[in-house]
Amino acid sequence: SQQGEEDPQALSIQEGENATMNCSYKTSINNLQWYRQNSGRGLVHLILIRSNEREKHSGRLRVTLDTSKKSSSLLITASRAADTASYFCATARNSGNTPLVFGKGTRLSVIA
Amino acid sequence: GAVVSQHPSRVICKSGTSVKIECRSLDFQATTMFWYRQFPKQSLMLMATSNEGSKATYEQGVEKDKFLINHASLTLSTLTVTSAHPEDSSFYICSARGGGGERNTEAFFGQGTRLTVV
Repeated sequence: SQQGEEDPQALSIQEGENATMNCSYKTSINNLQWYRQNSGRGLVHLILIRSNEREKHSGRLRVTLDTSKKSSSLLITASRAADTASYFCATARNSGNTPLVFGKGTRLSVIA
Repeated sequence: GAVVSQHPSRVICKSGTSVKIECRSLDFQATTMFWYRQFPKQSLMLMATSNEGSKATYEQGVEKDKFLINHASLTLSTLTVTSAHPEDSSFYICSARGGGGERNTEAFFGQGTRLTVV
């Protein structure tokens, strides 16, 4: 079953602009992860934020987590055409061998 | 990061035949692997959890007799789609968590298998 929702479902921006994607989830979590998927390919892990963290950075990526609102956001700064992909958030209830539950994803198009 | 290899990447089969998809963890032992299914422009839906040396746990609505999962070793899980029908055409992705420490938290994904049943 899917954990939550992402919005927007689709986002189209110009190269150089920032892209913000949001994710909401329903249950308590141990951590939240963001993944990227190019069309018809596997998933690439972008960043993981733990439930006791509020913000995390990795290169042009910035992730926030608000456990009181059960929501997270992914910001991609200075976007590039190569950032065009689908982005999914995924939650894990614990750090053990439980599956990740994925949101519906945001399809990002960056226009050169 | 750790590597999970999935094979084949694409397969076309005739209705009624069976197709086996392999998922291997190349540099760590994965006691648990997960199989997901993804329809076009949709998200990943968990099908089953594969446990080494024991029976897989299937999600509600997933037919265990149709999607046979075998996890015979700590580095290999297989998904067999039996008596495939066109509606089974989809993108199948495996995932593994394991290796101890931080690796138990991050999930590693195979490249996916595009199955087309004609």
